[in-house]
Amino acid sequence: QQPVQSPQAVILREGEDAVINCSSSKALYSVHWYRQKHGEAPVFLMILLKGGEQKGHEKISASFNEKKQQSSLYLTASQLSYSGTYFCGHEGGSNYKLTFGKGTLLTVNP
Amino acid sequence: NAGVTQTPKFQVLKTGQSMTLQCAQDMNHNSMYWYRQDPGMGLRLIYYSASEGTTDKGEVPNGYNVSRLNKREFSLRLESAAPSQTSVYFCASRPDRGINTEAFFGQGTRLTVV
Repeated sequence: QQPVQSPQAVILREGEDAVINCSSSKALYSVHWYRQKHGEAPVFLMILLKGGEQKGHEKISASFNEKKQQSSLYLTASQLSYSGTYFCGHEGGSNYKLTFGKGTLLTVNP
Repeated sequence: NAGVTQTPKFQVLKTGQSMTLQCAQDMNHNSMYWYRQDPGMGLRLIYYSASEGTTDKGEVPNGYNVSRLNKREFSLRLESAAPSQTSVYFCASRPDRGINTEAFFGQGTRLTVV
């Protein structure tokens, strides 16, 4: 079952902030965040693990509420390069399959 | 390092034809995945392989078969292509499942079934 992302799309001006939410209906082991530019492959942003551990590569922060099975991605002082589609993925259950949501299209304008 | 390599990059099939999408990774990863991406649907998991010799169904396995040929290669086969299988297909790999590891994606195969 896919995680549910919101909003579906958001438009920002450079320098503005955005929050993208992701919720799941099952107990999770971890939440992943990826960004995809048009015509390219998804690229890893961050993993959040049950228990609070995080692993990320960029100046992007995220939270993981284990009780509510929800995660949020925080994009602050957005840059033009932040534009793209953001996917959250989750894994949990007995097989640890990595499944993704439908994505959030973020557009940052000058 | 090449990372995850998918072939072909583009393909046009006629309804009923068969084909195999190839995926190979050179990172010694255990887990490999096949996803399809359609407008408004996100990335949907087709099949998954936790390790060499094992495969498991994802969310949308109907119409597809997979083979984990060895640790490097994970192929996706369409036995009788249908227009509904027109999509962009992504292969991904991870060092292991259920651990703090990110997925690395190939560049995708754009498949059109006419």
